[in-house]
Amino acid sequence: GESVGLHLPTLSVQEGDNSIINCAYSNSASDYFIWYKQESGKGPQFIIDIRSNMDKRQGQRVTVLLNKTVKHLSLQIAATQPGDSAVYFCAENSKTSYDKVIFGPGTSLSVIP
Amino acid sequence: EAQVTQNPRYLITVTGKKLTVTCSQNMNHEYMSWYRQDPGLGLRQIYYSMNVEVTDKGDVPEGYKVSRKEKRNFPLILESPSPNQTSLYFCASSLNPGEKLFFGSGTQLSVL
Repeated sequence: GESVGLHLPTLSVQEGDNSIINCAYSNSASDYFIWYKQESGKGPQFIIDIRSNMDKRQGQRVTVLLNKTVKHLSLQIAATQPGDSAVYFCAENSKTSYDKVIFGPGTSLSVIP
Repeated sequence: EAQVTQNPRYLITVTGKKLTVTCSQNMNHEYMSWYRQDPGLGLRQIYYSMNVEVTDKGDVPEGYKVSRKEKRNFPLILESPSPNQTSLYFCASSLNPGEKLFFGSGTQLSVL
């Protein structure tokens, strides 16, 4: 079946270190992937996206990598800061069901000062 | 400011008492959707709407209703709430289906 999942439910990193959050997907028809950040008491917020015709996309301190061969997505956060502490969700859309987004279960990132 | 506004933020009710959670967006988005978020289950889609007067079931539609009479509003209706509908609810919108979503701040519902 179709699913989007995260390898690590929790992640603790030292302030200033880089963070890597992983996501696996099983639907080979998926062609658009999004990372969202959800801070405590707030709704998810868009961070970065990537389409299936790309392998890598960079934003400010964040990079998303897409490996279509193994159906794997990762979010890298450079120089992690306390304000990065949140739950991170990957999400995917596919051409066959573009009106529905499938979310992963989320990874909780804690930054140790 | 571009935003999705949900109300109320918190709601405590009793079994069987009809309630409505409102959602409004000011970005002229075509697509709107409701999700519930439960520990260990992540975000699950309840209903979505591709445009005015067009709504469709998501993954967990039982016990919920929606309407889309105007482009900006997408209320979630619980005709007869039950305790298993206790959850954190999010409304979201996007310019078009399949694009990045903008989420509201959430509504924490408790059904006693």
